[in-house]
Amino acid sequence: GAVVSQHPSRVICKSGTSVKIECRSLDFQATTMFWYRQFPKQSLMLMATSNEGSKATYEQGVEKDKFLINHASLTLSTLTVTSAHPEDSSFYICSANQGETQYFGPGTRLLVL
Amino acid sequence: AQSVSQHNHHVILSEAASLELGCNYSYGGTVNLFWYVQYPGQHLQLLLKYFSGDPLVKGIKGFEAEFIKSKFSFNLRKPSVQWSDTAEYFCAVNAGAGNKLTFGGGTRVLVKP
Repeated sequence: GAVVSQHPSRVICKSGTSVKIECRSLDFQATTMFWYRQFPKQSLMLMATSNEGSKATYEQGVEKDKFLINHASLTLSTLTVTSAHPEDSSFYICSANQGETQYFGPGTRLLVL
Repeated sequence: AQSVSQHNHHVILSEAASLELGCNYSYGGTVNLFWYVQYPGQHLQLLLKYFSGDPLVKGIKGFEAEFIKSKFSFNLRKPSVQWSDTAEYFCAVNAGAGNKLTFGGGTRVLVKP
């Protein structure tokens, strides 16, 4: 149980385009999901908390207009990187809460050319 | 703000050796504590967690961790490692509302066959 999927697993896009990443809880419902960014050889940095049916809560320094989060259902949250630039290239990971435990998706590697 | 420290960035050891990874956190209140593992090319998986009760927690794959409240520590141990334990290990703490996790910097463990 407690499986979280992400799609796509990797994406390459041109600078200036937008990219949408999906995060799904496959066998449980999650009112709260989280989006992280992981730089090479570094730990996870929390970007935002995605709340079902309400606005996401962003961490300090994360641009909410740049990283749009939508949590329209209890099993799906999406992160859209708008007008992506090369510095947005990174590994994006989502997690979903089951009780007080977070379960993580496999991550999406984004490369912006 | 709470913080989590993992003192060892890299650990190299031989098969059958014992492993102990340190984790300290800074938060004076009630905490939930987690160890996650990230095998090469894979997503984060939950190794074990502590919420309350017996401070010695047993997890999957022979790992255990001990919560020492007076030392603000939650060290991970395995008596005899295998080559397949090669991975990056992350300590994480959840304190306060919102179930947000704060991660340590991670420890890369290389087990030589």
